[in-house]
Amino acid sequence: EIVLTQSPGTLSLSPGERATLSCRASQTVSTTYLAWYQQRPGQAPRFLLSSAPTRATGIPDRFSGSASGTDFTLTISRLEPEDFAVYYCQQCGVSPWTFGQGTKVEIK
Amino acid sequence: QVQLVESGGGLVKPGGSLRLSCAASGFTFSDYFMSWTRQAPGKGLEWLSYITGPGSATYYADSVKGRFTISRDNAKNSLYLQLNSLRAEDTAMYYCSRGNYGLDYWGQGILVTVSS
Repeated sequence: EIVLTQSPGTLSLSPGERATLSCRASQTVSTTYLAWYQQRPGQAPRFLLSSAPTRATGIPDRFSGSASGTDFTLTISRLEPEDFAVYYCQQCGVSPWTFGQGTKVEIK
Repeated sequence: QVQLVESGGGLVKPGGSLRLSCAASGFTFSDYFMSWTRQAPGKGLEWLSYITGPGSATYYADSVKGRFTISRDNAKNSLYLQLNSLRAEDTAMYYCSRGNYGLDYWGQGILVTVSS
């Protein structure tokens, strides 16, 4: 099973700042099959983008993804109030599919 | 627009069974992989199972293999998850979702509580 390790666990930032979230895979994952999700409190997860860098419909371009080997990064260029949430990475290239444990982006 | 609506959750005793349903609309259901994912209270996301578009292949997380069964009825645009031998640790919100290059649409979730 591919283990995805997200860091940091919590990121404390102010609106307008840049957020950099990391997801490290225990084995090779195709960028086509590494996805990022946002989950706000009390809501279902929302697909943001895959690291191929395909952004979901309606997702602002301040969200971007990148990859280097087994390291994947989600960047939010300038945090808006609605961006404070929990973010998960997920791989769906190798069964069983797996999620990272999540990174909480909180208001500093 | 794409919609996924789960139903069938509720309170069940340990050892009991439940069948979750997910009604899909707004897309050609049979063209897509479909998945179930759950989230225990205050915890992260746990992927459970997927089924291919025609329903010819399925895969499960080890935590539910042998207890849960995923299925679909493409004529009814519906996805199912049969939950057997339920345990307290199966208490969670259960979500259905679409896709295999990322789960691009999710339902609102349905709560399953396993308690005596």
